[in-house]
Amino acid sequence: AQKITQTQPGMFVQEKEAVTLDCTYDTSDQSYGLFWYKQPSSGEMIFLIYQGSYDEQNATEGRYSLNFQKARKSANLVISASQLGDSAMYFCAMREGLWAGGTSYGKLTFGQGTILTVHP
Amino acid sequence: GAGVSQSPSNKVTEKGKDVELRCDPISGHTALYWYRQSLGQGLEFLIYFQGNSAPDKSGLPSDRFSAERTGGSVSTLTIQRTQQEDSAVYLCASSRSTATADSNQPQHFGDGTRLSIL
Repeated sequence: AQKITQTQPGMFVQEKEAVTLDCTYDTSDQSYGLFWYKQPSSGEMIFLIYQGSYDEQNATEGRYSLNFQKARKSANLVISASQLGDSAMYFCAMREGLWAGGTSYGKLTFGQGTILTVHP
Repeated sequence: GAGVSQSPSNKVTEKGKDVELRCDPISGHTALYWYRQSLGQGLEFLIYFQGNSAPDKSGLPSDRFSAERTGGSVSTLTIQRTQQEDSAVYLCASSRSTATADSNQPQHFGDGTRLSIL
């Protein structure tokens, strides 16, 4: 089974509108972390936002917020007031094994990504 | 340096040749990861270093792949006898640590090496 599922291969949004990118995950760990990265056409991976499994509040970072629904195992990224520069590939990723007995290696498991296109 | 540096940015080589890819992590980052990004497979974990040791090599696809890290800093990923299926972008990432207290530390990625096998 896929550990990270991003069901939207592509999304379109009008400039200045909000958009939600979906991410569901699968883990049996009690402690884990969820990350969103942006990859523009230039190729670099840019960290956007983090949500820990024990965080009670949804993470926010500027125009980015995370709609974290732990029981449903979803961690959707919300981008408010979209800008042309937001056009990129977006990856959801999970780090498992935090706080388990022993050291977490911290490796990330990525979803397949969602290509976001912002129209003027 | 300010960010993770990878070299070369592009590498074209003939099938059967050996290649070395280099990663220079952010200064002070003890954890270093190699990932591979290809069209068919997405982003895949290859190997993890903590300091100079590699406690997790589970993602290396075959024994043609190896990596080392020296001085707790620079890492080299070596692919021997390259095959066409090795064509991909190889990404290196570093983070401060993977200790519990730093669990929210993101991995910072380099720009990658685009490897093309002819």
